[in-house]
Amino acid sequence: EPEVTQTPSHQVTQMGQEVILRCVPISNHLYFYWYRQILGQKVEFLVSFYNNEISEKSEIFDDQFSVERPDGSNFTLKIRSTKLEDSAMYFCASMGDRAVETQYFGPGTRLLVL
Amino acid sequence: QQQVKQSPQSLIVQKGGISIINCAYENTAFDYFPWYQQFPGKGPALLIAIRPDVSEKKEGRFTISFNKSAKQFSLHIMDSQPGDSATYFCAVFTGGGNKLTFGTGTQLKVEL
Repeated sequence: EPEVTQTPSHQVTQMGQEVILRCVPISNHLYFYWYRQILGQKVEFLVSFYNNEISEKSEIFDDQFSVERPDGSNFTLKIRSTKLEDSAMYFCASMGDRAVETQYFGPGTRLLVL
Repeated sequence: QQQVKQSPQSLIVQKGGISIINCAYENTAFDYFPWYQQFPGKGPALLIAIRPDVSEKKEGRFTISFNKSAKQFSLHIMDSQPGDSATYFCAVFTGGGNKLTFGTGTQLKVEL
């Protein structure tokens, strides 16, 4: 069964450093998302991406965040200057058809900012 | 900010019992109501979902009941098993917003 994959599974970084989280969505999907989950809390929407542009973003997704689909298979989330409060689990998701509306989530990247 | 209120926060059920988790939403523009199951260290996985034009959907031991007028929907897990022990999130989706808004989660523990 096709699945969303994410790398790395864990990332530890120093405050102020840049990190890039990578995702490979399901191959024929068109809609891509990033969500995050702070430990013990609910899953929060960050950004949605369709047709090579951001379609919606939350207030969490400020100028420090950016997304890119560099090569037609990968989907990346970049945090330019990490803060302690960016420590969370980051999930990538993809959706094939807006009429079906089912988002499939990857296993996540656990980011720890020290 | 769309709110989705989920209860209870945690639930302990005996094996073979019925687990019931409730969610309430505020906006009537949503057009898809999924439930996700999450095991520790894993991503959320779609369990079952319903559209607002039906009042109930059943898949195996899992049933969603939907009350459009009350803006509430619930997940029922029949014959609960220890393997069902996980965190369950309700969510709402609107095609216009193109995003899922999740509830706060319910940690279910099924005891032998």
